[in-house]
Amino acid sequence: GNSVTQMEGPVTLSEEAFLTINCTYTATGYPSLFWYVQYPGEGLQLLLKATKADDKGSNKGFEATYRKETTSFHLEKGSVQVSDSAVYFCALSRSGGTSYGKLTFGQGTILTVHP
Amino acid sequence: NAGVTQTPKFQVLKTGQSMTLQCAQDMNHNSMYWYRQDPGMGLRLIYYSASEGTTDKGEVPNGYNVSRLNKREFSLRLESAAPSQTSVYFCASSEGRSGRGPTGGAFFGQGTRLTVV
Repeated sequence: GNSVTQMEGPVTLSEEAFLTINCTYTATGYPSLFWYVQYPGEGLQLLLKATKADDKGSNKGFEATYRKETTSFHLEKGSVQVSDSAVYFCALSRSGGTSYGKLTFGQGTILTVHP
Repeated sequence: NAGVTQTPKFQVLKTGQSMTLQCAQDMNHNSMYWYRQDPGMGLRLIYYSASEGTTDKGEVPNGYNVSRLNKREFSLRLESAAPSQTSVYFCASSEGRSGRGPTGGAFFGQGTRLTVV
């Protein structure tokens, strides 16, 4: 079956540091890949996505590239801010079918950024 | 544009009590979902509804029932709550296949924090 593995957290960084959160997946076919962000007390928000191999998703300074050869979708940001403190989830949805919100999630990575 | 709205936001139940979590979306999406979020486990799919009139089990359906009332509304019912159902519950909705192919992903509500004592 499908599965997503994220790097263990929590991750603590100083403001303006470089961020990488690793994500690898196991899936049949060609899934779509996503990063969601959850701020304290809120629901999940879609941060970025990629729907095919070598696609790069980007949003708010965050980037992730769909690497089929390494089955990875690592999240990066060149300079984090205190406001980026949140929980980040990597997820995939299977290709085909009609339920594109049927997602398999990683366990989440807590990011804390200090001034 | 409200997106996905869940009620209530917080609830405390005693073991054995029943309750229904309500969810409504105003994005004209065909598909709706219920997830639960537990520490260290990410989100897990409880039930989903690919389209109005259909529902299917997800990864962790035991102890739950759902109703797709119409295209907008999808409710989750706990018939006899257990402490293991203490969790944060999220409703989500998604579009279907677009003319350019599937885009994927889902829009989430704010969540319901449920405690069963």
